Amino acid sequence: NAGVTQTPKFRILKIGQSMTLQCTQDMNHNYMYWYRQDPGMGLKLIYYSVGAGITDKGEVPNGYNVSRSTTEDFPLRLELAAPSQTSVYFCASSPPGQGLTDTQYFGPGTRLTVL
Amino acid sequence: AQSVSQHNHHVILSEAASLELGCNYSYGGTVNLFWYVQYPGQHLQLLLKYFSGDPLVKGIKGFEAEFIKSKFSFNLRKPSVQWSDTAEYFCAVSRNSGNTPLVFGKGTRLSVIA
Repeated sequence: NAGVTQTPKFRILKIGQSMTLQCTQDMNHNYMYWYRQDPGMGLKLIYYSVGAGITDKGEVPNGYNVSRSTTEDFPLRLELAAPSQTSVYFCASSPPGQGLTDTQYFGPGTRLTVL
Repeated sequence: AQSVSQHNHHVILSEAASLELGCNYSYGGTVNLFWYVQYPGQHLQLLLKYFSGDPLVKGIKGFEAEFIKSKFSFNLRKPSVQWSDTAEYFCAVSRNSGNTPLVFGKGTRLSVIA
């Protein structure tokens, strides 16, 4: 199993550009998550999904969109990039055992810089 | 709102020293508790977790954590740290009733020096 994979690893965007961060898991996990990690701030939940076709906002959803058309994929869309979105983005997934409270498996992250 | 506090931002220890990293949470109900570790340049991985039962939980690489319900705490310990333990450590908490995502603390950076 590859686990949780994310692409790209690094990206530089100009203000106002858009992009999609890709996330795929091959563990047949129902639950998937997007976090951003800023220095000294820990992880903040952006969006999460409890299954295909179902998504919900986390703590910091503004400026982002998600979709979940399949169990495996959970892309994160930035429509109008802003410098405040410079961060490291982590995708994670968890199995259906304990719902949203179960162990999460993280991808390697995408480092995004908006200039 | 549920919050998770990690008291130490950066801890510097010599090899073989003992480690204790603090974690407190604000939620009063039944909780699930986690410690995740992020080694330099790597993604987060689970160190240990507590759902129920024995409040002293043992994890990988010699780490353990103790859940003290009366203190709303879940401190991480290791009797003797190694240089390879240099990493950032995150405490995370979730209610185990209802569908509430994990809330992470801000993390504690551990630097182990020879």
